[in-house]
Amino acid sequence: KAGVTQTPRYLIKTRGQQVTLSCSPISGHRSVSWYQQTPGQGLQFLFEYFSETQRNKGNFPGRFSGRQFSNSRSEMNVSTLELGDSALYLCASSLGGTAEAFFGQGTRLTVV
Amino acid sequence: GENVEQHPSTLSVQEGDSAVIKCTYSDSASNYFPWYKQELGKRPQLIIDIRSNVGEKKDQRIAVTLNKTAKHFSLHITETQPEDSAVYFCAASMAGYSTLTFGKGTMLLVSP
Repeated sequence: KAGVTQTPRYLIKTRGQQVTLSCSPISGHRSVSWYQQTPGQGLQFLFEYFSETQRNKGNFPGRFSGRQFSNSRSEMNVSTLELGDSALYLCASSLGGTAEAFFGQGTRLTVV
Repeated sequence: GENVEQHPSTLSVQEGDSAVIKCTYSDSASNYFPWYKQELGKRPQLIIDIRSNVGEKKDQRIAVTLNKTAKHFSLHITETQPEDSAVYFCAASMAGYSTLTFGKGTMLLVSP
């Protein structure tokens, strides 16, 4: 079966702009979580969604937001981009709870 | 919130040696502890996991141990091979949530 798909793979944006990233989970998975990966901070949790409801949120500013649709696809949005938002953004899907999480290839965001 | 510490940050071994990576967690409510391997430029992939009702789990050359009292868990790789070279992340999660709190990662280098 198809794995977790993230689009786009690469993005270059200018400070102050906003960006939307997309994640399509494995078919049948209703849970999607988002993580930011940087060399200095490692993998940091952003959001967790299950059946269109945000179940948990990490310690990120309000410029970071997300949502999940009825088909379990999820998007995250970052507004007023800052240089420090440059990172690899990974999403992971699972059946829910502590079931195995499968990661997408990530979206590499560069803010210039 | 949960905090996961991981040591060492880098580990160099000779092919055939064993490698041990250790993690500690802070929240006694955590009950699921996966380990992910991330090769350069690739997505994190689950290699083994353990739940709080089990003290040890093995899968061929890989084993994980859990000490709930001390809030420690460790990854053991025996007979290391060059293809084991990667960054390894430990993580912790609580029942009912897909949120993973990750350690900062260990870069394992296996020299032939």
